[in-house]
Amino acid sequence: ETGVTQSPTHLIKTRGQQVTLRCSSQSGHNTVSWYQQALGQGPQFIFQYYREEENGRGNFPPRFSGLQFPNYSSELNVNALELDDSALYLCASSSGTSADNEQFFGPGTRLTVL
Amino acid sequence: TQLLEQSPQFLSIQEGENLTVYCNSSSVFSSLQWYRQEPGEGPVLLVTVVTGGEVKKLKRLTFQFGDARKDSSLHITAAQPGDTGLYLCAGVRAGNNRKLIWGLGTSLAVNP
Repeated sequence: ETGVTQSPTHLIKTRGQQVTLRCSSQSGHNTVSWYQQALGQGPQFIFQYYREEENGRGNFPPRFSGLQFPNYSSELNVNALELDDSALYLCASSSGTSADNEQFFGPGTRLTVL
Repeated sequence: TQLLEQSPQFLSIQEGENLTVYCNSSSVFSSLQWYRQEPGEGPVLLVTVVTGGEVKKLKRLTFQFGDARKDSSLHITAAQPGDTGLYLCAGVRAGNNRKLIWGLGTSLAVNP
């Protein structure tokens, strides 16, 4: 069974640029959730994808967008990067959309915006 | 307003000491999860508690869900340096299983 993988592991961008982060879900999982985590704090929910459709969104502006592919892998895109976007971006896969389903997290992508 | 309040936010203790981390809310939760996150890694689920008053043990870690299902605690006995990490609680609110509510975490450092 392959776990959740994310790429890249680290990324440095400048303000105004755009970034794409990638996530491969665990085998058998059809749901991917994306989180933003500031240093030493809990994850903040960005959005969730289920069967290639967005299924719930947190309090993040439209410049945060995503995709899910037929193989259930997912991308997080952030446009017009701001300094405050610097954080660890986590994706988690699960076997369903209910919050009762256990989520399995990837190691995250550390994004630094200069 | 944070729906799940974790305390303390930071904790630095010596090896062998005991500690308790608290996760409190004014809302009722149908279940509550505890995670540990190490630097450079994603959170890893330790335990899920679902019944009011439930106690679960994982080696030196004891998890308790409050009788009213509004709070939970994590107690570590004889802490070891390997326990160092960020401990997160996350809950599913009763009647709303669409979203997992996260606490801000407790950063624990166990010094040898």
